[in-house]
Amino acid sequence: DTAVSQTPKYLVTQMGNDKSIKCEQNLGHDTMYWYKQDSKKFLKIMFSYNNKELIINETVPNRFSPKSPDKAHLNLHINSLELGDSAVYFCASSQDQTARYEQYFGPGTRLTVT
Amino acid sequence: QKEVEQNSGPLSVPEGAIASLNCTYSDRGSQSFFWYRQYSGKSPELIMFIYSNGDKEDGRFTAQLNKASQYVSLLIRDSQPSDSATYLCALQKTGGFKTIFGAGTRLFVKA
Repeated sequence: DTAVSQTPKYLVTQMGNDKSIKCEQNLGHDTMYWYKQDSKKFLKIMFSYNNKELIINETVPNRFSPKSPDKAHLNLHINSLELGDSAVYFCASSQDQTARYEQYFGPGTRLTVT
Repeated sequence: QKEVEQNSGPLSVPEGAIASLNCTYSDRGSQSFFWYRQYSGKSPELIMFIYSNGDKEDGRFTAQLNKASQYVSLLIRDSQPSDSATYLCALQKTGGFKTIFGAGTRLFVKA
């Protein structure tokens, strides 16, 4: 049973296109996250939702828009894709938003923009 | 100064040796500290977490936290080739919601 799942696993697309990545967790967690990991392996928070409410919105281009239809799902939509958006995007979840709980990561979506 | 700093490595140790991974941080308001392991092409997974000064042991892993000196370390005893991975140091600040990750240290354990 996959705890945190993401689709698709690989995404290859051209500049200017719009794409979405979906994430689902079956752990009953309240908080979900999107991270971007670049080619240097640096993992950076983008967004976080707690019970469908946005609690973290880092400085990312507004071409990136998260949506949480319910607390088990967090999707990421990207408009007008650029070369610099190429990276691995990880979804994660944790029991709640406090500092004391580990985060469980999905398998990642490798986005390549050509 | 980066909020979380790690030596990128690679750190190479022989099988059976102790691997020592270090991490320093800049904000004294940091509260919770985590070590995640990430195999190549895989997602991060939690190895250890520590909140209080001192040592915390779990099997072959020991996390050490020194808030006065603002560093946290991870010791891996009896290192195995399967421990070869990138180790990410992470922290959360008091009252904050986001986890800040270091860039990771690559560890190679030679058989």
